[in-house]
Amino acid sequence: QSALTQPPSASGSPGQSVTISCAGTSSDVGGYSYVSWYQQHPGKAPKLMIYEVTKRPSGVPDRFSGSKSGNTASLTVSGLQAEDEADYYCSSYAGGNVVFGGGTKLTVL
Amino acid sequence: QVQLQESGPGLVKPSQTLSLTCTVSGGSVSSGSYYWSWIRQPAGKGLEWIGRIYTRGSTNTNYNPSLKSRVTISLDTSKNQFSLELTSVTAADTAVYYCARMEWLEYFDYWGQGTLVTVSS
Repeated sequence: QSALTQPPSASGSPGQSVTISCAGTSSDVGGYSYVSWYQQHPGKAPKLMIYEVTKRPSGVPDRFSGSKSGNTASLTVSGLQAEDEADYYCSSYAGGNVVFGGGTKLTVL
Repeated sequence: QVQLQESGPGLVKPSQTLSLTCTVSGGSVSSGSYYWSWIRQPAGKGLEWIGRIYTRGSTNTNYNPSLKSRVTISLDTSKNQFSLELTSVTAADTAVYYCARMEWLEYFDYWGQGTLVTVSS
């Protein structure tokens, strides 16, 4: 299994929107509705932000949203805030296995 | 509130076996509703799923195909713990190792704080 493909970096100014992509194949992202997204601040454990492609856990701001088209999933952060600066990872079920993306460093300018 | 805590040696010699334990509180590792997983992250790099264990009637495991020949994950229900063994380690296995609970719908909802394991002589 290969890692999902994410852009290494993304950026935006406070208040703007940013979208991070997560490209996979029909054996993972495209084949199941089990894509999740995690936020990781330096030195901390990852935090669940989105699950089952579009669902937000309790406590996650509605500025975070997820979507999927074909073999590519996306995370959109609207109304960027300084505390959104972090690394973001996508993950997908892959037929008995789990695969992560390589991660995207989001910078708030 | 579910909590997970990793424990084990922070330094392992090359060619030896890395052994870590995850102690779970606030939930039961016997619950058939969850997977209990290990994930690692080398310094400055991304997350890598190692494998998971779960019980549904019997105890079952899934492993990352790239690590499968060296990995064993086991469950100790009496201590509410699950463990990781990784054999024949090299410097490439140096990483922060996380244990995590995975919902049946394939997402990680609770994570341990992580523990750094360095492979060096």
